[in-house]
Amino acid sequence: KAGVTQTPRYLIKTRGQQVTLSCSPISGHRSVSWYQQTPGQGLQFLFEYFSETQRNKGNFPGRFSGRQFSNSRSEMNVSTLELGDSALYLCASSLGGTMNTEAFFGQGTRLTVV
Amino acid sequence: DAKTTQPPSMDCAEGRAANLPCNHSTISGNEYVYWYRQIHSQGPQYIIHGLKNNETNEMASLIITEDRKSSTLILPHATLRDTAVYYCIVPLTGGGNKLTFGTGTQLKVEL
Repeated sequence: KAGVTQTPRYLIKTRGQQVTLSCSPISGHRSVSWYQQTPGQGLQFLFEYFSETQRNKGNFPGRFSGRQFSNSRSEMNVSTLELGDSALYLCASSLGGTMNTEAFFGQGTRLTVV
Repeated sequence: DAKTTQPPSMDCAEGRAANLPCNHSTISGNEYVYWYRQIHSQGPQYIIHGLKNNETNEMASLIITEDRKSSTLILPHATLRDTAVYYCIVPLTGGGNKLTFGTGTQLKVEL
């Protein structure tokens, strides 16, 4: 069974640009969550999508957005990049539903903003 | 999410049991305790979860106290590859799959 796939693995962008990251969840999983990890703030929840709808949202500015497609694949977008957006972005895949279930994480996308 | 408290770091000798504690005194009756770990530069890995009974799987055992205010993750025979940050999380029941990660416990397994 294939795991969670995130692309690209590494990315370098310039301040002011925008970026789109992709996440393919485990087959059959309907929930995809995104997290940002930085040395200073640790692992922080960005948002969760379930059945193409945003179900949960963390405390991030509107420059951070996401979407989920009918095949459960998800993308997140960051517009007007700032130096502070440099981080490891992690995607987690879960079966979904209303009960918490275990989450399976991808290897992440390392974004560097210069 | 219920707040959790973990020691910032622990050391363990290879081959010995590693016992990682977690306090979650504000846990509600229907909230589960989840454990994840993150090996350096990798995505977090699910370990185990439980409600009130002790749980065991191929990776670890989870012991939850009778009042559910604390729990202990046990790695029965720690190896060098178990060196990681371990997170104890109590997600809000019915709140989807949002996980609130604290600072966790850095476990260092040494020879």
